Amino acid sequence: GQQLNQSPQSMFIQEGEDVSMNCTSSSIFNTWLWYKQDPGEGPVLLIALYKAGELTSNGRLTAQFGITRKDSFLNISASIPSDVGIYFCAGRSPAYGGSQGNLIFGKGTKLSVKP
Amino acid sequence: KAGVTQTPRYLIKTRGQQVTLSCSPISGHRSVSWYQQTPGQGLQFLFEYFSETQRNKGNFPGRFSGRQFSNSRSEMNVSTLELGDSALYLCASSLLSVSTDTQYFGPGTRLTVL
Repeated sequence: GQQLNQSPQSMFIQEGEDVSMNCTSSSIFNTWLWYKQDPGEGPVLLIALYKAGELTSNGRLTAQFGITRKDSFLNISASIPSDVGIYFCAGRSPAYGGSQGNLIFGKGTKLSVKP
Repeated sequence: KAGVTQTPRYLIKTRGQQVTLSCSPISGHRSVSWYQQTPGQGLQFLFEYFSETQRNKGNFPGRFSGRQFSNSRSEMNVSTLELGDSALYLCASSLLSVSTDTQYFGPGTRLTVL
């Protein structure tokens, strides 16, 4: 089945640092979504991307839909303590034939504060 | 606008029992999807309901079932619980379709099977 490879699995940040994470797939997607999940809560949508090459910002967050439609990137600039959490990418495959365009999720990138 | 609500938030059951989880979507949203989240497998799609009909299904055994009511509220049922069913069960609502519309998640129901 379709799989998303999200990296890195985890990273430590120091306040003020920029953070980058990405997701890659072996198949194309027509939508990329980025979510953040805090402990004990459901994922919250951060950014949605609908077109190859699209670059979208939400405050200090910027995400890009890769030109090949097989990858996406999320950058967080000047990180702050409340950025800590788990970030998930999700890709939606084109709905054609019998496929209903399911959302496939990456395994997540866990952001923690450097001790 | 109120968000997606799920009840109960926490549940403890024993093997062999069955469980029913409830989800109320955002007002006006007609599509409700269910996901299972575990540390090992991540977020996995269970099924989607729209207009009281299951429209889309993931790769889970028949022990997992659901339904949707005319007010778009949805329930998910797991019968003959196994230890491996311990997970966070997330409900997400979207306006019309999981295939085209943005999904908004609820806080989840944490199910522990002993």
